[in-house]
Amino acid sequence: EAQVTQNPRYLITVTGKKLTVTCSQNMNHEYMSWYRQDPGLGLRQIYYSMNVEVTDKGDVPEGYKVSRKEKRNFPLILESPSPNQTSLYFCASSSGGTRPYGYTFGSGTRLTVV
Amino acid sequence: GQSLEQPSEVTAVEGAIVQINCTYQTSGFYGLSWYQQHDGGAPTFLSYNALDGLEETGRFSSFLSRSDSYGYLLLQELQMKDSASYFCAVRVPMTGGFKTIFGAGTRLFVKA
Repeated sequence: EAQVTQNPRYLITVTGKKLTVTCSQNMNHEYMSWYRQDPGLGLRQIYYSMNVEVTDKGDVPEGYKVSRKEKRNFPLILESPSPNQTSLYFCASSSGGTRPYGYTFGSGTRLTVV
Repeated sequence: GQSLEQPSEVTAVEGAIVQINCTYQTSGFYGLSWYQQHDGGAPTFLSYNALDGLEETGRFSSFLSRSDSYGYLLLQELQMKDSASYFCAVRVPMTGGFKTIFGAGTRLFVKA
């Protein structure tokens, strides 16, 4: 089954403790992206990647890191999480220039930083 | 800056037709997408318009007017299960590729 797999689904952590949210897709998509979703603000892009070893900042990159060493994986790293990073996070992938043109999203990671 | 505007809430009755509008201001434009998200779920892709006109997929249709920087999602024969949030999203060109910007979402309530 074509899918984007995110882990974990839920995470409660303490301020300053480094964490990684994993994301993997099995559709051979070039394009991957991380979004955070907060009430009333929609989906805001954190980082995106157009291919292996090619990443770029989205609209809210502060406090986050990413890497794209393999085509299928795009982990999101919070080196020193803070309470304002409490949010719902989605990883998504897309083929880019071919149909279908939309994203396939992972199931989401609900992160709470205390 | 780049922005997308869509209504925050729309209410309609079962069996009716509802239109959710989206206007955008972006530097560059490749296409307009629509996504559906049920409470507790992930967004799912509905449609993509790159050219002016109407695209129909079952009960859902999406329209784009590039000259007006405007699009809409039309939902026909509304069902209770259509109660969800709907997001418009614009794909804009970036060096080497593109990025996708989402609107804040429209919450659709379908009443019996």
